[in-house]
Amino acid sequence: QKEVEQNSGPLSVPEGAIASLNCTYSDRGSQSFFWYRQYSGKSPELIMFIYSNGDKEDGRFTAQLNKASQYVSLLIRDSQPSDSATYLCAAENFGNEKLTFGTGTRLTIIP
Amino acid sequence: EPEVTQTPSHQVTQMGQEVILRCVPISNHLYFYWYRQILGQKVEFLVSFYNNEISEKSEIFDDQFSVERPDGSNFTLKIRSTKLEDSAMYFCASRGQGSTFGSGTRLTVV
Repeated sequence: QKEVEQNSGPLSVPEGAIASLNCTYSDRGSQSFFWYRQYSGKSPELIMFIYSNGDKEDGRFTAQLNKASQYVSLLIRDSQPSDSATYLCAAENFGNEKLTFGTGTRLTIIP
Repeated sequence: EPEVTQTPSHQVTQMGQEVILRCVPISNHLYFYWYRQILGQKVEFLVSFYNNEISEKSEIFDDQFSVERPDGSNFTLKIRSTKLEDSAMYFCASRGQGSTFGSGTRLTVV
């Protein structure tokens, strides 16, 4: 069974601080990893994807991938109240483009 | 920015009835998907569709489910005889660099 695990939270972070969201996956065949943001009652919105070991930065967001440890993380710098949402980690295997999602981490940014 | 369009946004149906959920994927995308999310649970893969045929389906996607691309733009999910446990948000997605999700259809089976 291919699993993607996330701490469900809630994670509370003061405004302006760094939020750190973590994800582990069980299937070593997973090649690409995606972070989605989901506001309550809304659809998942793609924030970033990563497929190489190391860091990938996009604005205030940094995704980190460590394939040896089967670990993916998302850092949000200068957190804003609008970042309050559930963050979904998803894994994808090469040649099989379906996404396997974690349960999501609920993030609350405290003004 | 291109988007995936889903209709209706909310559908209420009686148990045993057939429902069709509709999606218009992003026009130059080649892979299309249906996912569902039961309230409070994770997003689950149902089916992927490529080159006018199903490329993969999950255990959830049993004989009661079917997908179709009746023309060049629409992508539909049909549930033949709905059950109470089919109540969920159904998301259509299409794949470019990462999958873009539609706004979803909330299906309520009563």
